[in-house]
Formats: sequence, structure tokens, C-alpha cells
Amino acid sequence: KAGVTQTPRYLIKTRGQQVTLSCSPISGHRSVSWYQQTPGQGLQFLFEYFSETQRNKGNFPGRFSGRQFSNSRSEMNVSTLELGDSALYLCASSLGLEDTGELFFGEGSRLTVL
Amino acid sequence: GEDVEQSLFLSVREGDSSVINCTYTDSSSTYLYWYKQEPGAGLQLLTYIFSNMDMKQDQRLTVLLNKKDKHLSLRIADTQTGDSAIYFCAEDRYGNNRLAFGKGNQVVVIP
Repeated sequence: KAGVTQTPRYLIKTRGQQVTLSCSPISGHRSVSWYQQTPGQGLQFLFEYFSETQRNKGNFPGRFSGRQFSNSRSEMNVSTLELGDSALYLCASSLGLEDTGELFFGEGSRLTVL
Repeated sequence: GEDVEQSLFLSVREGDSSVINCTYTDSSSTYLYWYKQEPGAGLQLLTYIFSNMDMKQDQRLTVLLNKKDKHLSLRIADTQTGDSAIYFCAEDRYGNNRLAFGKGNQVVVIP
């Protein structure tokens, strides 16, 4: 079955703009998590959605938001972009049950803010 | 909060064994994970261990868990060039859909 698909793969924005990233989970997976990966901070958890509800949230400012649709696809939005938002944004899907918690990651969306 | 700690870089000859270490933070974490990231790719789950186990073997991979010291290690036997990647350990400190990752350990396999 198809893996986790993230679009776009690469994008360049300027400071002050906003960006929307999309994630299509593996069919049947109801949980979608988002992580930010930077060389300095490593992988940091942004938020997790399950059945269209935000279930967990990391320590990011309100400029970072997300949502999940009824088909489990998820989007994240970053408004008023800053240089420090340049990162690889990774989406992961899972069944969302309280089990081993295996996450399946997409290849990421690499955002560069100029 | 405290960080999951990993050493940064390891080079190993093809055919040798590699050992990657990690110190995690929360003794109440239920599962500990090892993920692999190849260049330009997302993370791939390699293996995981339940916190009440000391060891888990999966083909060329051996995971050792020292819960007292909160120390996790991954041994890769017969390391191959395809094993060159960044390896991340992670714990489900906040629940199994919110993992805390280490900074990663880059493994370079020399032919």
C-alpha cells in the first residue's frame, strides 16, 4: 500500500509569508503527527491529530497550526514566516491506537525561508 | 526539558559491527525506538523494545536496554554500506504518538 505522502517536497518563501504543507497518511491510519527537523534542534514534535481532533501539541508558537480532514489527510500552516522556520517538516502516520506506536514517516517538506 | 542524548558520529568498516548508544530521559517511557534516516528521506522505524525487556534481537540488529541507567544501544552486525545513515533513538515520553528523539548519530560505513 502507498506510504505517507507529503507535498510539496521543496519550497522557498520569504519572511512574513505563510505556508501550507500537506500530508496524506497511509490508508487506514487515523493519526497524523508533525515534526520539525533542524540541524540545531533536531526533531521536535509540533502536533498530532486523530480523527480530526488535535490530541497532542508541542511547544511551538501559535504561528504554527494544523488541521485534519475527515479522510485523515492533514495540513499544517505556518504564518508570518521567520528565518528560523527553515527546516524539514516531517509528517508521520499511525493507527493512533495505544499500542507500540509505530510511526510511518513521509519524506518531508523542506522549507527554506529567505 | 531534558534531552535524549546520543553521540554524533561513528565510522565503521564494512563487515564490522557498529554500536550506537543513547541515554533517554524518562524511566516511565513504555517503548524505546530506533529510527534510521537516509539522505533526503524521512525516518524509518528499525526496531523497538518494550521497557520491561533487556534485549531484543532482529536479524542483524540487537537492542540492549539498561533501564536502571536509562541507556539504550543498537548493535548492527556485519555492517554494510547500505547502513550508512543517521540513527535516532526515541522514547514515548509523552505517549506513543508524541515521541522525543535524540539528536541522531551519523554512521558512515567505509567499504
